[in-house]
Amino acid sequence: NAGVTQTPKFRILKIGQSMTLQCTQDMNHNYMYWYRQDPGMGLKLIYYSVGAGITDKGEVPNGYNVSRSTTEDFPLRLELAAPSQTSVYFCASKGTEAFFGQGTRLTVV
Amino acid sequence: GEDVEQSLFLSVREGDSSVINCTYTDSSSTYLYWYKQEPGAGLQLLTYIFSNMDMKQDQRLTVLLNKKDKHLSLRIADTQTGDSAIYFCAETRSGYSTLTFGKGTMLLVSP
Repeated sequence: NAGVTQTPKFRILKIGQSMTLQCTQDMNHNYMYWYRQDPGMGLKLIYYSVGAGITDKGEVPNGYNVSRSTTEDFPLRLELAAPSQTSVYFCASKGTEAFFGQGTRLTVV
Repeated sequence: GEDVEQSLFLSVREGDSSVINCTYTDSSSTYLYWYKQEPGAGLQLLTYIFSNMDMKQDQRLTVLLNKKDKHLSLRIADTQTGDSAIYFCAETRSGYSTLTFGKGTMLLVSP
């Protein structure tokens, strides 16, 4: 059972570069989420999706974009990376239970 | 205040029981979850409870829900050093799509 798979696990970006964090799930869940986790700050919701073709902003969406063309995939796009986006990013999907990927540790220098 | 609140730190001795507490504000919460996060790892779903239940037991884990006081607890029996981690409480609400987390409780188990 793959569950929720995130790639890459680690990435270093230079200021102003862009990248896409990939997330895919094989549980046919409608709900998918992107969170960022900063030390001592818990998890903050960036974007979420309730199904293919539908996305909505969370608590901290600025500097990010998402798309949901299929039920399985929910990529997160960072445009013009900034040091404030240095964080650990988690993707999750939810039916009744909510499962998380292993995270992407991103450093912007 | 925060939607979901947890105490930040708990220290216990190996073999004792641990009780991690969580309070939430919205009475329409439908599912409440407990996650475990070890250093450098993702969030592992430990257990969850539906809002029409008072208690759920799963091996060493017992979840108690007091809807009147909007209080959720996770009891870990016979706590082991491998239980040392950060524990997150989370909720979903009726009619809402989002999953809201507390800031996490760091559990330290000493030998």
